[in-house]
Amino acid sequence: NAGVTQTPKFRVLKTGQSMTLLCAQDMNHEYMYWYRQDPGMGLRLIHYSVGEGTTAKGEVPDGYNVSRLKKQNFLLGLESAAPSQTSVYFCASAPGGAGGQPQHFGDGTRLSIL
Amino acid sequence: QKEVEQDPGPLSVPEGAIVSLNCTYSNSAFQYFMWYRQYSRKGPELLMYTYSSGNKEDGRFTAQVDKSSKYISLFIRDSQPSDSATYLCAMQKVSFGNEKLTFGTGTRLTIIP
Repeated sequence: NAGVTQTPKFRVLKTGQSMTLLCAQDMNHEYMYWYRQDPGMGLRLIHYSVGEGTTAKGEVPDGYNVSRLKKQNFLLGLESAAPSQTSVYFCASAPGGAGGQPQHFGDGTRLSIL
Repeated sequence: QKEVEQDPGPLSVPEGAIVSLNCTYSNSAFQYFMWYRQYSRKGPELLMYTYSSGNKEDGRFTAQVDKSSKYISLFIRDSQPSDSATYLCAMQKVSFGNEKLTFGTGTRLTIIP
């Protein structure tokens, strides 16, 4: 029972390089989210999806793109990495529907941009 | 002003003590309240989930919500070294379609054996 799996776990990039972070969930959840976590800033929502084929912006979307082609996968892309994007990235999923929706998190991807 | 405020700590207490962790919030639209535990180099793990005001108990953990004061608490009884982690409060508005969570910045807790 894997839950939410993120790959890769660690990555070092040079400024200007691109990469894609993959999130996969096996709980048949409708909603998926990408957050970044920085010291003193807490978890901030980058983008989210309320179903296959849908995406929406969160509070810090600039410099990132996402895609949800399959229900179980949510991809986060950095087209041209910047040092300000050095962070720990977490993916989360939730069942969907009305009412409170506790989110279930993966173990994160640590990304350093040099 | 942030919507959710949480004392970052760090907080160190001896094993067996009662721990009290707190968050305040400014937006009365928050209806669902959660506590997550995050160990070093791991993702947040859901501990407690409550709706509106009141108390909820689960083993050694009690979550308390006071909507009139816009204040939530997590109490840990008989604290253990394994409780050493960062604790994040999170809140959610009733908003069908996105249910975004708003997090506090986390309190780092150390239980001293």
